[in-house]
Amino acid sequence: NAGVTQTPKFRILKIGQSMTLQCAQDMNHNYMYWYRQDPGMGLKLIYYSVGAGITDKGEVPNGYNVSRSTTEDFPLRLELAAPSQTSVYFCASSYGRVQTGELFFGEGSRLTVL
Amino acid sequence: RKEVEQDPGPFNVPEGATVAFNCTYSNSASQSFFWYRQDCRKEPKLLMSVYSSGNEDGRFTAQLNRASQYISLLIRDSKLSDSATYLCVGGNYNNNDMRFGAGTRLTVKP
Repeated sequence: NAGVTQTPKFRILKIGQSMTLQCAQDMNHNYMYWYRQDPGMGLKLIYYSVGAGITDKGEVPNGYNVSRSTTEDFPLRLELAAPSQTSVYFCASSYGRVQTGELFFGEGSRLTVL
Repeated sequence: RKEVEQDPGPFNVPEGATVAFNCTYSNSASQSFFWYRQDCRKEPKLLMSVYSSGNEDGRFTAQLNRASQYISLLIRDSKLSDSATYLCVGGNYNNNDMRFGAGTRLTVKP
């Protein structure tokens, strides 16, 4: 099993550009999440989804959008990139509610906005 | 104030040493707790859950003190391979949110 796969692994954007971070999981998990990790800070939840067609905001949703058209895929869209969005982005999935189970993370996507 | 706070370290210990990390949480509604391990430039991975009665997994022991709102992780007989950043995590059943601490960095030296 591949687990959680994220693409791209690295990307440099110019201010104002847009892009989509792709995330796919092959574990048939209902729950999927997007986190960002800044140096010296804990992971912060951007958006999450409890199943296909259902998404909800996390702690830091501004500047991002998500969709969940299938169980497997959970892309994260950055509109009008800003330097404050320079970060490492992790996609994760879990079988059940996150508090009762394990989060499986992708390898991360390192984004730099210049 | 951060919801989950950890001493960032770094903790530098020799092989075979016992080391303990503490973590405090401010949200009394937090109900489930975990320790994750994150290697340099890698993704976090679950190390162990933390139960109210305390739990042990080999050389690792986790404790939860709800009255004082802190969680601890004890590593006995440290190995070089234990070098990593350890993330304290608290979750709330009322929303699907897990709050991560910034992590405590451990380096085990020969």
